[in-house]
Order: sequence, then structure tokens, then C-alpha cells
Amino acid sequence: EAGVTQSPTHLIKTRGQQATLRCSPISGHTSVYWYQQALGLGLQFLLWYDEGEERNRGNFPPRFSGRQFPNYSSELNVNALELEDSALYLCASTPGWTESTDTQYFGPGTRLTVL
Amino acid sequence: AQSVTQPDIHITVSEGASLELRCNYSYGATPYLFWYVQSPGQGLQLLLKYFSGDTLVQGIKGFEAEFKRSQSSFNLRKPSVHWSDAAEYFCAVGARGGYNKLIFGAGTRLAVHP
Repeated sequence: EAGVTQSPTHLIKTRGQQATLRCSPISGHTSVYWYQQALGLGLQFLLWYDEGEERNRGNFPPRFSGRQFPNYSSELNVNALELEDSALYLCASTPGWTESTDTQYFGPGTRLTVL
Repeated sequence: AQSVTQPDIHITVSEGASLELRCNYSYGATPYLFWYVQSPGQGLQLLLKYFSGDTLVQGIKGFEAEFKRSQSSFNLRKPSVHWSDAAEYFCAVGARGGYNKLIFGAGTRLAVHP
């Protein structure tokens, strides 16, 4: 069974540009989560999507946005890139939305570098 | 507010030695607790998790962790470390109530000397 996949592996952008990161969850999983792992800031929760809806959002500005498609894959968009957006962006998935925190399975990440 | 503290930023052990990585959490109720490992340039791999029941949890790669409610701790242990265990280890707490996000500690980087 394939795990969570993310593309691209690396992405280099300049300040002010937009970045689009993609994630495909494990087959059968409907929930997708995005985390940012920035140097010195650790792993921080960004967004959670389930069944096409945004369910929860971390403490990030609105220029961080995303969506989930009918096949449960997801995109993370970062507009007006700033230097501090440089980070590893990790995607995770779970089988669905329950009232507990299911085990989240992580992809390998997309390394975004903003110059 | 929920939080996770991993007091040790770096730990170095000799191959074959025992290992204990510390994790303390702050949460209003019994949390869901996780340990993940991250090798350089890689994503996170789940080592083990605690949801309820037996407070000593067995995981993959010979790791175990013990949930101690009185100490708000969930320390990770391994009796004999292998060189391949060198990586960064993250403790995380998961919220109950449908919010589903994980809150991570800052991580502990483990180096293993031959």
C-alpha cells in the first residue's frame, strides 16, 4: 500500500511569488493535514481538511490556504512568499474525522526555499 | 493550552547503550500521545502511540514508552541503541474533541557513537 506522497520534493521561489504544494493521502484516507517545519520553530500545525472542507486552522496568516479535491488529495498554496516561509512542509493523512486524534501518517515533505 | 516539552535538544550515546528521551506534556485531560522519528531529509515515522489502557506501550524498532499521568510524562526508551537509530525524535500530543491537530515538542536529536 502506497503511503502519503508529496510533490514536488523541492521548490525554489522568490519573495512575493506564490507556491503550490501537493499531497496525496493514503488510499482510503479522507483527512489531510498540513504542517510547517521551519528552522528554529519546530513542527507547527497549519491546516486540516476532511471531505473537502477546512476543519481546523493553525495560527498562520490568510496567505496560507489550501483545498481538498474530490479524490481527497490536497493542495497547499502560499501567496506573497516571505523569506521566513522557507521550511519543510509535511502532509499527513488519517482514515477520517472521528472525535479522537487518529494516528497521522506523514509524507516525505516538500522543501520550500524562498530567495 | 496544550504544550509538549522535550528538555534535551541533543543527546549522544554509544552504540549498545540504553536510551531514554524525555517528554513532558501539558493538557487538561488524558491526551493522546505519540512518538515520531525523523531521519535527515525525511518525513515523520510513527514509533508508538498511547491512547488508553496499559501505560507501557511497545513500538517499532525495539522502542517503548511509558505514560505517567502523575508526572505528565511520556518518556521513550530503548535498551540497546543501534547506529541506525541516529535521527531526530519528536513527542506529540493529540487533542481530543475533534480538533485533530498534533502539537509537537521541539525534538531531540540523537547521535550514536560507534
